[in-house]
Amino acid sequence: DAKTTQPTSMDCAEGRAANLPCNHSTISGNEYVYWYRQIHSQGPQYIIHGLKNNETNEMASLIITEDRKSSTLILPHATLRDTAVYYCIVRVIPQFYFGTGTSLTVIP
Amino acid sequence: GAVVSQHPSWVICKSGTSVKIECRSLDFQATTMFWYRQFPKQSLMLMATSNEGSKATYEQGVEKDKFLINHASLTLSTLTVTSAHPEDSSFYICSAYPTTGNTIYFGEGSWLTVV
Repeated sequence: DAKTTQPTSMDCAEGRAANLPCNHSTISGNEYVYWYRQIHSQGPQYIIHGLKNNETNEMASLIITEDRKSSTLILPHATLRDTAVYYCIVRVIPQFYFGTGTSLTVIP
Repeated sequence: GAVVSQHPSWVICKSGTSVKIECRSLDFQATTMFWYRQFPKQSLMLMATSNEGSKATYEQGVEKDKFLINHASLTLSTLTVTSAHPEDSSFYICSAYPTTGNTIYFGEGSWLTVV
């Protein structure tokens, strides 16, 4: 079962930062947090993952709280193509269980 | 980036027939592959975990005799939906876990419609 809770939906203005929260209060010390997104009728796309430290790549930044009970995915300059469902996943080795995700709509 | 390919992208079959969906990791070897199904406006539901050379592990409530999974090589896993019924119509997605690394990569998905 998914160990994460996310808001059902969010809106973000084009060009602004999109901050997507995720709660994972029961995470264990060695469990990673992963973020994927799914554009309609496609397979999920990997975005980023982390364990304790904040992470950044060309797509996004991941901020994990010190107690690891929550995290935030940041898309620094949202574009219309970032409209998708974003899934926060805590990996329960070896499986990846998906929660309900957050439907992000980027508004022109 | 790592590429996972599914085939076919979409398939229509008659009720009672069987249909096979292939999942290939194109540029890496995958000891483990996962199969998911997704109904419209719902999240991905894990069906089973397949490990190369061994039997798949099915999630609770998934019929192993109906959804046959074979993982005969490090780059190929197949899902066969046997005696398909209209309620099996869904979006099926595979993912592959590289033997090195700790991220899974997804295929494009396969739409199955049973008529």
